[in-house]
Amino acid sequence: GQSLEQPSEVTAVEGAIVQINCTYQTSGFYGLSWYQQHDGGAPTFLSYNALDGLEETGRFSSFLSRSDSYGYLLLQELQMKDSASYFCAAGSGGYQKVTFGTGTKLQVIP
Amino acid sequence: DTAVSQTPKYLVTQMGNDKSIKCEQNLGHDTMYWYKQDSKKFLKIMFSYNNKELIINETVPNRFSPKSPDKAHLNLHINSLELGDSAVYFCASSSTATREEAFFGQGTRLTVV
Repeated sequence: GQSLEQPSEVTAVEGAIVQINCTYQTSGFYGLSWYQQHDGGAPTFLSYNALDGLEETGRFSSFLSRSDSYGYLLLQELQMKDSASYFCAAGSGGYQKVTFGTGTKLQVIP
Repeated sequence: DTAVSQTPKYLVTQMGNDKSIKCEQNLGHDTMYWYKQDSKKFLKIMFSYNNKELIINETVPNRFSPKSPDKAHLNLHINSLELGDSAVYFCASSSTATREEAFFGQGTRLTVV
């Protein structure tokens, strides 16, 4: 089966850096995406890694290690508005199938 | 312009009823999905359609029947609703070339009483 594990909750201080980890077990793994979801809102796409290494998009970076079946999302210069749930998502079968992780609720405190 | 729109946003209904949720996307995407998010926020794929053809059906009870009249629409019909069907249902779409980036609708909160 497919499974992606994330920490359930993370708390960090405004202005700091936080890393949200994702370990996965998926057959036919194609790549790892990250999504942000505010309470009551829809998931919105943040980043994608198909190859090993770091992808940077503004304050957000995402990392993938295929050999370790592991990835992380790095959020820098945290802002209060970054308080949300973050999901990793693994694509398989040419990305026809997408399996979402368990989600991490990030709370940013002053 | 809303990229992926679902209606209704809220749906409260009694057990045993039949209901439909509609989804439309104006992004020109050829792949559409239905996801279910439960009270613990687990987001699980239910169906995936590519060019109106069903490509993924994740062991969803056959009370759930998706219908895609064209590439821009993917509706979800649910028969004989049960209490356990209460959840938020998200429609999403992506292009074949960039399936790693899905665009989600605002969700339909279904409450079965």
